[in-house]
Amino acid sequence: AQSVTQPDIHITVSEGASLELRCNYSYGATPYLFWYVQSPGQGLQLLLKYFSGDTLVQGIKGFEAEFKRSQSSFNLRKPSVHWSDAAEYFCAVGAGSGYALNFGKGTSLLVTP
Amino acid sequence: ETGVTQTPRHLVMGMTNKKSLKCEQHLGHNAMYWYKQSAKKPLELMFVYSLEERVENNSVPSRFSPECPNSSHLFLHLHTLQPEDSALYLCASSWGLAPGDEQFFGPGTRLTVL
Repeated sequence: AQSVTQPDIHITVSEGASLELRCNYSYGATPYLFWYVQSPGQGLQLLLKYFSGDTLVQGIKGFEAEFKRSQSSFNLRKPSVHWSDAAEYFCAVGAGSGYALNFGKGTSLLVTP
Repeated sequence: ETGVTQTPRHLVMGMTNKKSLKCEQHLGHNAMYWYKQSAKKPLELMFVYSLEERVENNSVPSRFSPECPNSSHLFLHLHTLQPEDSALYLCASSWGLAPGDEQFFGPGTRLTVL
């Protein structure tokens, strides 16, 4: 069965600094990979997704992620973090069986002035 | 209203109460989902409906009873809950059940069981 690991529970970055959130997955074939963001009191919003093709994926709000098959990783990056990026970030993997998304436990991002 | 809405946003209930959570999607989607989000645990898929038919029941206790009267509405009926059922319950919808179909989430209902 597929699984997702987000090694960092909390990350703190300064506003304007670069950000990288890690995600590792376990799945035998090429998975469907997603990054979601959850702001306080809100539901999850899709930032970006990867199915195939170019391994560098652009998303909303200036985020990007790179799929690395050799490392089973799908790390999320942003060159310059804004205070409004403070939120919980979830990596998720879907498999060929369809709709069942497996979510990681999430990484909580704190942005300091 | 746009997107996926959920009511109520907050609910406090005793273990002997019966209550219902409501979800409505305004996106014309065919599939709807219930997830449970507990502190320090990954999101847990509870139920999936496609065209009003339940396609997934992920070993959820019978004290949770879903209902999907049409493709726009999804309910979660609650009875004789336990304190460990306290969590954020998220509803989501998608166009279909293909792996790449993006799931759109509602804001959730924060449930507290006393």
